[in-house]
Amino acid sequence: KQEVTQIPAALSVPEGENLVLNCSFTDSAIYNLQWFRQDPGKGLTSLLLIQSSQREQTSGRLNASLDKSSGRSTLYIAASQPGDSATYLCAVGTSGSRLTFGEGTQLTVNP
Amino acid sequence: DAGVIQSPRHEVTEMGQEVTLRCKPISGHDYLFWYRQTMMRGLELLIYFNNNVPIDDSGMPEDRFSAKMPNASFSTLKIQPSEPRDSAVYFCASSFGTGLSGELFFGEGSRLTVL
Repeated sequence: KQEVTQIPAALSVPEGENLVLNCSFTDSAIYNLQWFRQDPGKGLTSLLLIQSSQREQTSGRLNASLDKSSGRSTLYIAASQPGDSATYLCAVGTSGSRLTFGEGTQLTVNP
Repeated sequence: DAGVIQSPRHEVTEMGQEVTLRCKPISGHDYLFWYRQTMMRGLELLIYFNNNVPIDDSGMPEDRFSAKMPNASFSTLKIQPSEPRDSAVYFCASSFGTGLSGELFFGEGSRLTVL
């Protein structure tokens, strides 16, 4: 059974700092990995999707990497802003269209 | 595109009552997923459909839960009878394709409170 772990559970940083969120998974037989953002009381917004054959994806200030062999992914956020405050979840896609979610990292960026 | 649309956004009901949650996926998407989110258990997949056909309902907690997708633009998740432990946020999500291409798009969720 796939298990996804995100560290840290919570993170508080000053505005402008570069930061890294971590995601690890136990079964390397994955199709893809997605990073989502969730604001309080809202649904999940897809940030980046990395296919299993890819090593990284970039969108604006966000960069996500994937290392299947070690079962790890990182989400790098450059020059963080207060508007980046949210919960970030990673989800691993395995057979049967099933996504397994981590518990999330709650990020607070202080002005 | 309007995105995935869910209704109601909030539902408060009493134990034993029937609850019906509704979802309209993004037009053209062929996969539809129902998830439940709680503080204790995080996000759990309940059931998903491909081309309106239920593929995997192993996450449906009990027989009190049922889901239908009568056509490509509408799905329902029904709980009958509801219990306080069903209180959660229920999300509907849709995607086009699977595996190599299935970016998932979520609705805003339906927050259910069972008293």
